[in-house]
Amino acid sequence: SAVISQKPSRDICQRGTSLTIQCQVDSQVTMMFWYRQQPGQSLTLIATANQGSEATYESGFVIDKFPISRPNLTFSTLTVSNMSPEDSSIYLCSVLRGRDGYTFGSGTRLTVV
Amino acid sequence: AQKITQTQPGMFVQEKEAVTLDCTYDTSDPSYGLFWYKQPSSGEMIFLIYQGSYDQQNATEGRYSLNFQKARKSANLVISASQLGDSAMYFCAMRMPGSTSYGKLTFGQGTILTVHP
Repeated sequence: SAVISQKPSRDICQRGTSLTIQCQVDSQVTMMFWYRQQPGQSLTLIATANQGSEATYESGFVIDKFPISRPNLTFSTLTVSNMSPEDSSIYLCSVLRGRDGYTFGSGTRLTVV
Repeated sequence: AQKITQTQPGMFVQEKEAVTLDCTYDTSDPSYGLFWYKQPSSGEMIFLIYQGSYDQQNATEGRYSLNFQKARKSANLVISASQLGDSAMYFCAMRMPGSTSYGKLTFGQGTILTVHP
C-alpha cells in the first residue's frame, strides 16, 4: 500500500495565523482526502482533492478557511487559515489505493493558542 | 443518508481474552465497503480489516475478524487473544457509494478499548 509522508507532525500556532500541512505520497494517486479530528472526536472529512480540479468541500467547510492545493498526483497541501483555538485538532490526509487500500498520513497535531 | 454507529464509548478486556466491538450502519445502496481502523495515542490510523457488501465470507486478518450480518446491518470487530498493545481507539467506517461520493469514508464515533493485564 502507499506510504504517505505528512508534515509537520505537530505545531503550536498563534491565533490569527495560518498553517500549511503537506502530504507527499510515494506513488501516483487520483484521490486524496483531508480529515479533521477534533479532541476526543471522530474523523470528519474536510474535502476531496483531485489533481487538476478544484477540491470538493464537505458541508461546513469552506475554501477560504481550508484552501487545498493538488499540483500533481503525489502531493497535496491543506492550509488552516486565520486560526482560532477551535481549530485545534489532528488533521490527516488519506489516499485511496484499490478496493481496501486506504492509507493515512501520520497526522498533524495542531494546537492554537 | 449513510450513517455509522458505534454504541460503546469504552470497552475493557482482560489480556488474552476475546472482545467484540460493535458497529451498525445504515445505507440504502447495495454496494458499500466497511472498514475498521485502530488509532493509538500517537494519532496514526492503522488499517485492520475490510468487508465488502458482496463478500460471501466474513473477513479475517490474523487476530481480527469481522462478524458481518448484512440483514442486521452490523459489522462487529472481534479481537481474539487481546494484547496490551491493543489498547487504543477503534473506528468503524463505511465507504460511501455513488459516483460523486466514491472514496469518501464516514466514520463512527469510536470505541476506546483498554486491555488489562
